[in-house]
Amino acid sequence: DAGVIQSPRHEVTEMGQEVTLRCKPISGHDYLFWYRQTMMRGLELLIYFNNNVPIDDSGMPEDRFSAKMPNASFSTLKIQPSEPRDSAVYFCASSLDLWAQQYFGPGTRLTVT
Amino acid sequence: TQLLEQSPQFLSIQEGENLTVYCNSSSVFSSLQWYRQEPGEGPVLLVTVVTGGEVKKLKRLTFQFGDARKDSSLHITAAQPGDTGLYLCAGAELVGSQGNLIFGKGTKLSVKP
Repeated sequence: DAGVIQSPRHEVTEMGQEVTLRCKPISGHDYLFWYRQTMMRGLELLIYFNNNVPIDDSGMPEDRFSAKMPNASFSTLKIQPSEPRDSAVYFCASSLDLWAQQYFGPGTRLTVT
Repeated sequence: TQLLEQSPQFLSIQEGENLTVYCNSSSVFSSLQWYRQEPGEGPVLLVTVVTGGEVKKLKRLTFQFGDARKDSSLHITAAQPGDTGLYLCAGAELVGSQGNLIFGKGTKLSVKP
């Protein structure tokens, strides 16, 4: 398996633009997680899905953030409109079970100017 | 939500030295995971500890889970430049019928040759 795949690896956009981050989890993993990592706040869980259903989105900062998982092999995290404070590295991870090892993708480094 | 405090935040040592990093919480976790993250990559699981007092060894790395399952430590013997990275601990938290992994902010380790 190729592992968790994320795209793009880097994204630079202007404030106010819509940003869409993409993730392909490891096949057979029932759980998918979206995280945001910054120096100040560390690794923060934004939302996670179980069998394509959002279970806990309490970490989503505000209404500008939305996440979908239309099928078992694809998820998106959308920010609209983007703001400079959204600049961070966004990770997608998947796992077989909620408490099992999480396999992280390489991340998307987002810069909003 | 439980918080995980990691210390020290930064650590810079010479090759061959020993070191210990800590992960502490005021609450109990059902299990605890340690990850290592290298620059430009996602975190990778090193070990999971489940039982209070448990000790696990991974070559030169020794992991211990506190008796009360509130804290954990990672000891590295004879550190090597390849050990450089961000070490993250993550505690499994149950909230009602849901739960997730809570990550600490990490210890950034630099081992100089």
